[in-house]
This record gives sequence, structure tokens and C-alpha cells, in this order.
Amino acid sequence: DTEVTQTPKHLVMGMTNKKSLKCEQHMGHRAMYWYKQKAKKPPELMFVYSYEKLSINESVPSRFSPECPNSSLLNLHLHALQPEDSALYLCASSQGTGVYEKLFFGSGTQLSVL
Amino acid sequence: DAKTTQPPSMDCAEGRAANLPCNHSTISGNEYVYWYRQIHSQGPQYIIHGLKNNETNEMASLIITEDRKSSTLILPHATLRDTAVYYCIVRVEGGGGKLIFGQGTELSVKP
Repeated sequence: DTEVTQTPKHLVMGMTNKKSLKCEQHMGHRAMYWYKQKAKKPPELMFVYSYEKLSINESVPSRFSPECPNSSLLNLHLHALQPEDSALYLCASSQGTGVYEKLFFGSGTQLSVL
Repeated sequence: DAKTTQPPSMDCAEGRAANLPCNHSTISGNEYVYWYRQIHSQGPQYIIHGLKNNETNEMASLIITEDRKSSTLILPHATLRDTAVYYCIVRVEGGGGKLIFGQGTELSVKP
């Protein structure tokens, strides 16, 4: 199983809503990532988790709150988002955080903030 | 991490080799060259990586110049399913897993 599964595939939320994005992998990977991708732009790294601990936060606003409850699961909690946060949110995983490690990406959650 | 420069777009005829260039003139000794691609509506997919030697796998070949300042990804027999954005990325050892995407090359394979 080399899949990274993201749910939901599409999400529409208002600026006062609280929602969560979910990412799951069963490859035994110990590193997990969140990326944000605006239309026609490259993915931008948001967070890196290594062994269930947050290791990199790329100065992401606090309205995005990541959580890694176990080694297979990664959540992104969303609160008080702005319309400019509308984007494709991609999750990825890798065996570790070494330079040799390949990242496996999910197909993403398309988020629209109204 | 070293910056990469790629042409914004390229065309290739189906069945022909697609040669995608990447410039990384400021690369340092402990930085690896990685290639990923992103087909429309999907997440990025790993293709190949290398340090200084040329590399080949079932998907592609990677040719790195001797001075390591540039590289070329070769898809030997491009198909319509190879139409995608191709990202050349330089990753540093000890970077904590960071994979930072540049602007990429949009490759269109035409019949």
C-alpha cells in the first residue's frame, strides 16, 4: 500500500467555521507533511512532523493548527480562515526526514473559504 | 537551499524523448537534485534523484553535468500521460526533510 489518503476531497467553509482536514498513511512512514498550493503555483511547505513531533513550521498563521495523533494520521485544524486561504491542501509522508527519502503525496483537499 | 531555474513550458511529440533542463548554478556539495512531477488534479509524484552521477530508473534518466551546475531529466519515449508540471528541486543533507518546490516546467506531450 503506497497510498496517502486525504479526506475530504472538497470542503467549503465560512470564515467563522471550524473544520479539519485528515490525512492517513499505512506505509509505516515516520515523517508527515502539509503543503498548500494555490492555483497555477507550486506547492508551499507548511509543516513537517517527524516521529509525531512538529519539527518544522514555515511561519504559518495560527489559524492553521496541525496535529499528529499517531504515526499514521495527520490532521490540519482550520479556524477563522480568510478567503485567501482557499487552496489545495496536500499531505505527504516519507520514511524519515533524511535527504534520500522520497515523499509520497495524497491527491489533496480542495478548500474554498467563503 | 540552492535555487533552481527551469523553462516555464515545453512541448514534446508523443513517442519522442522529452529533455527537461534545470539550472542550479549555486548548488553545493551536500545538495541533491530531485525531480518530481504533478499531473493535473493529483499530488506531486517522485521521479528520480541524484548527487553527481547520472541515474536511470523505470521512469526517467537524470543527467547531471560534471560541475553540477545543471541537469537534464530525460523521459525516453513521452506519452500523453506524461503531460504534467515537472519540478527540479535541490535538497540539502540535514534539511529536516524539507522539499521546496520552484516554479517548474509545464510539459505538454502532443499527438
